[in-house]
Amino acid sequence: GQQLNQSPQSMFIQEGEDVSMNCTSSSIFNTWLWYKQDPGEGPVLLIALYKAGELTSNGRLTAQFGITRKDSFLNISASIPSDVGIYFCAGQNRVTSYDKVIFGPGTSLSVIP
Amino acid sequence: SAVISQKPSRDICQRGTSLTIQCQVDSQVTMMFWYRQQPGQSLTLIATANQGSEATYESGFVIDKFPISRPNLTFSTLTVSNMSPEDSSIYLCSVEGQTYEQYFGPGTRLTVT
Repeated sequence: GQQLNQSPQSMFIQEGEDVSMNCTSSSIFNTWLWYKQDPGEGPVLLIALYKAGELTSNGRLTAQFGITRKDSFLNISASIPSDVGIYFCAGQNRVTSYDKVIFGPGTSLSVIP
Repeated sequence: SAVISQKPSRDICQRGTSLTIQCQVDSQVTMMFWYRQQPGQSLTLIATANQGSEATYESGFVIDKFPISRPNLTFSTLTVSNMSPEDSSIYLCSVEGQTYEQYFGPGTRLTVT
């Protein structure tokens, strides 16, 4: 079945540093989603991407939909302690009929003050 | 985005018993989903719940173990039946947004002893 890989699996960074993480797949998706999950909470949608090559920002977060449609990356600029959490990418081929969302294994981010 | 609530937020249950988890949305939605997130893992789709029809279960999940109700467009329940310690997980409901992204509830943290 379809699987997503995320790298790195975990990262420890200093406050103020920029962060980059990516998500790859052996299959093509037409939608990429990025979520953040805080401990004890449900995942929160950060950015949704719908077109190959699309670059979208949400505050200090920027995500891009890869040209091949098999990858996506998420950048966080000037990290702060509240950026700590697990970041999940997700892919979907939803067009006119339902197709389930596939989630990656997550990237755990720790920010050292 | 929709506001989603879940009850209970957490529970500790004895093996062999059943627990029903409720998911309430503040607006009418067509598609609702139930996910399981085992400790330290990503999200796995259990089933899709559409109002007025039987839930559609993913491979590895069966109706006898995880019966689902969807009586209206704002509410759904998931029952975890005949529980064992392996059922200890976070159970999350989600709904589909207007551009097919998914929004999650806060989750129900279940511990089976």
